[in-house]
Amino acid sequence: EADIYQTPRYLVIGTGKKITLECSQTMGHDKMYWYQQDPGMELHLIHYSYGVNSTEKGDLSSESTVSRIRTEHFPLTLESARPSHTSQYLCAIRTGLGYTFGSGTRLTVV
Amino acid sequence: QQPVQSPQAVILREGEDAVINCSSSKALYSVHWYRQKHGEAPVFLMILLKGGEQKGHDKISASFNEKKQQSSLYLTASQLSYSGTYFCGTVPTANTDKLIFGTGTRLQVFP
Repeated sequence: EADIYQTPRYLVIGTGKKITLECSQTMGHDKMYWYQQDPGMELHLIHYSYGVNSTEKGDLSSESTVSRIRTEHFPLTLESARPSHTSQYLCAIRTGLGYTFGSGTRLTVV
Repeated sequence: QQPVQSPQAVILREGEDAVINCSSSKALYSVHWYRQKHGEAPVFLMILLKGGEQKGHDKISASFNEKKQQSSLYLTASQLSYSGTYFCGTVPTANTDKLIFGTGTRLQVFP
C-alpha cells in the first residue's frame, strides 16, 4: 500500500511569513497533486507533477509554488502568507486507478 | 468546469437507500467517487471508465452514462459508517490525469 505523508498537520502563522508544506511518498509514484479545500467545500486542483522536474499549475489560480526535485517529495511554498491563504491543503498521489490523499495541512494565517 | 452534484445534502435513517448524481457540462472519459469524513482526507471508492459500466462493492455501486455526461452513486441499506461528504471527480480525456472534483453531497445517516 502506498504511503503519503504531509507535514505539518496544523500550522498557524503570521502574515508575511514564508512557509513550506511538505508532502512525501514512499512508493516512487510519478504523479502527484496538490488540492486546496476550504471547510465543507469542494477540492480545487492548484498544482500537479508527472515526474521529476515536471510541474504544472492546476485549474485554481494560486500564489503558491511547487517543486519536484526528487520523486519522493513535492513541497508547496508560499513566499508571503496572507489571511486569504487560510485553507486546508491536501497532497495526493495516483495509485493504480484512484488517488490516495495525505492527511492534509490545515493552514491558518493571522 | 466543475461537475455539479445533486442533492447537496441527504439525511437518512439506517437501512434506507440514497442516490447521488454527478453531472458535467463537458465530455467525460472517467468518473471517480470519493467519500470524505469530517476532519479526514477523501478516500477513493471506485472509478468508472467510458463504456457505461456499472460497478460496485458491498452495498455501494455506481453507473456512468457518458452520452449524458452523468454518473450516479447508489447506496443501499445505508449504515452509520456511510456518513460523510461524497465527491465525484471527472477526467475529460484519456490524455490527462487531472481530476476535477464536483460540488459535493453531504450524507448523514442516523440510527
